[in-house]
Amino acid sequence: EDQVTQSPEALRLQEGESSSLNCSYTVSGLRGLFWYRQDPGKGPEFLFTLYSAGEEKEKERLKATLTKKESFLHITAPKPEDSATYLCAVRSSSNTGKLIFGQGTTLQVKP
Amino acid sequence: GAVVSQHPSRVICKSGTSVKIECRSLDFQATTMFWYRQFPKQSLMLMATSNEGSKATYEQGVEKDKFLINHASLTLSTLTVTSAHPEDSSFYICSARGGGRGTDTQYFGPGTRLTVL
Repeated sequence: EDQVTQSPEALRLQEGESSSLNCSYTVSGLRGLFWYRQDPGKGPEFLFTLYSAGEEKEKERLKATLTKKESFLHITAPKPEDSATYLCAVRSSSNTGKLIFGQGTTLQVKP
Repeated sequence: GAVVSQHPSRVICKSGTSVKIECRSLDFQATTMFWYRQFPKQSLMLMATSNEGSKATYEQGVEKDKFLINHASLTLSTLTVTSAHPEDSSFYICSARGGGRGTDTQYFGPGTRLTVL
């Protein structure tokens, strides 16, 4: 069964304190790993798609990496506006296009 | 690019009435649309998948007669909550995905907050 586990559930950082969020997955044939950001009361905002181990993508202070078992979302020198819930999801070859979501990591960045 | 809108953003209705939520892909053609619901402090729960011009595929435990989904065009899908009850109160979010190579990404709408009194 396809499964996604995110850790930690919650993370508090001081502004400028870099850290990483983890997404561990088990899928039968990965067809994409997706990172989204969700602010309270809003829909998820797309950040990255990763397809194969070794792939990396960057956007401003965020960098996503992928191995065969997990993905990391690295946040460099975060700012308070980076506070949000970060969701990881996978699409597998056995799931006809559905995304399997993790429970999310809620990040709070204090000034 | 890849903008998805939802209407309304908030709706309050009385128990027993029906509510329709619209989901539109504004700048791309969405061959597949998805409907999710989300409870406070929880992740997204997929309700159904719809492809343009065909019947929606519902997830296990989701009542198809209660949550009617129509995907009549490549840019519009609707979710109708029939005979709504307080337990249907939730945050409903749609997403859309285009067809073809390199279009695996689902883009999400801003969500609709439904409150049933």
